[in-house]
Amino acid sequence: KQEVTQIPAALSVPEGENLVLNCSFTDSAIYNLQWFRQDPGKGLTSLLLIQSSQREQTSGRLNASLDKSSGRSTLYIAASQPGDSATYLCAVGSGSEKLVFGKGTKLTVNP
Amino acid sequence: KAGVTQTPRYLIKTRGQQVTLSCSPISGHRSVSWYQQTPGQGLQFLFEYFSETQRNKGNFPGRFSGRQFSNSRSEMNVSTLELGDSALYLCASSLGATGAPSYNEQFFGPGTRLTVL
Repeated sequence: KQEVTQIPAALSVPEGENLVLNCSFTDSAIYNLQWFRQDPGKGLTSLLLIQSSQREQTSGRLNASLDKSSGRSTLYIAASQPGDSATYLCAVGSGSEKLVFGKGTKLTVNP
Repeated sequence: KAGVTQTPRYLIKTRGQQVTLSCSPISGHRSVSWYQQTPGQGLQFLFEYFSETQRNKGNFPGRFSGRQFSNSRSEMNVSTLELGDSALYLCASSLGATGAPSYNEQFFGPGTRLTVL
């Protein structure tokens, strides 16, 4: 059974700092990994999708990496801004044909 | 291109009632998945529909059911509501063209907040 863990559960940083969010999964037989952002009371916004054959994806200030063999992914946010404050979720698409989510990291960027 | 839409956005029901939630996927997307989000359990997969057929199902009781129409719109029904069904219900759509939803990028709607009193 695939399990996804995100550490830390919460993170507070000053504006302008570069930061890394971590995601680990127990079964390396995945199809893809997707990072989402969720604002309070809202739905999920897709940030980056990494297919199992890829090592990383970039979009603007965001860079996500994937290491299947070690069961890890990281989301790197450069030059953080207060508008980046949200909960970040990673989700793994694996052989069970559904997304398995971590519990998320709640990020607060202080002005 | 319009995103995934869900109606209603908020619902208040009492125990024992039933409820129907609606999801309209992104135009051209044929796969619709439903998830339940609670503070304690996080996001949990309910089921997925593709071309009007339930293709995969999570570990939820039979009180949770769904269907998909020919235009790919989907409905989710919960019968005999319990207090523990209070949650944010999210639907996601994807192309589904390559088969399993986990091959494709998932796009989520804003959710329906269900409160059971």
